[in-house]
Amino acid sequence: GQQVMQIPQYQHVQEGEDFTTYCNSSTTLSNIQWYKQRPGGHPVFLIQLVKSGEVKKQKRLTFQFGEAKKNSSLHITATQTTDVGTYFCAGPRGNQFYFGTGTSLTVIP
Amino acid sequence: DADVTQTPRNRITKTGKRIMLECSQTKGHDRMYWYRQDPGLGLRLIYYSFDVKDINKGEISDGYSVSRQAQAKFSLSLESAIPNQTALYFCATSEVGNAGELFFGEGSRLTVL
Repeated sequence: GQQVMQIPQYQHVQEGEDFTTYCNSSTTLSNIQWYKQRPGGHPVFLIQLVKSGEVKKQKRLTFQFGEAKKNSSLHITATQTTDVGTYFCAGPRGNQFYFGTGTSLTVIP
Repeated sequence: DADVTQTPRNRITKTGKRIMLECSQTKGHDRMYWYRQDPGLGLRLIYYSFDVKDINKGEISDGYSVSRQAQAKFSLSLESAIPNQTALYFCATSEVGNAGELFFGEGSRLTVL
């Protein structure tokens, strides 16, 4: 069955450094979503990508959907301490979304 | 007030006890979900419901049951809790199927001793 793999599992960066997390699917995805979970919090929707090769930006966050619609990435430019948390991608299978294992980001001041 | 409310927020119980986690929402969404979160494993779908008469198993439904009492309420039960069901449980809602964002509750942390 479809699996959504996410790497790395953990990432520590100095404040101001860039950060990227990658999401890979064994099958073609119709779309992909990204969520952020702050420590002690619940996942919060960030964005959905639908088109092949799509790139979307939210301030310092850049989201990309691969040409083959099997992979996606989230890039954060010049991380800040407010970026701390776990970032999840989620891909659809049937009528629901299945989540990647997440990347936990620690930002060192 | 939160749009998706879960109770209890924290619960410690013993092996073999019956536990119910409740979820209520004010978003008016038809679709509701229960996820389980474990460190390193992400969020895994337990059950989902697309309306009051619809219940579907997710990827890890064994040992769990659900009830959709109304459009706004979706409860998760552990008939006989076991220690490996210790986890953080999230309820979520969505307006449409795989094209709609999920709105999560605050989570229910369950510890089974």
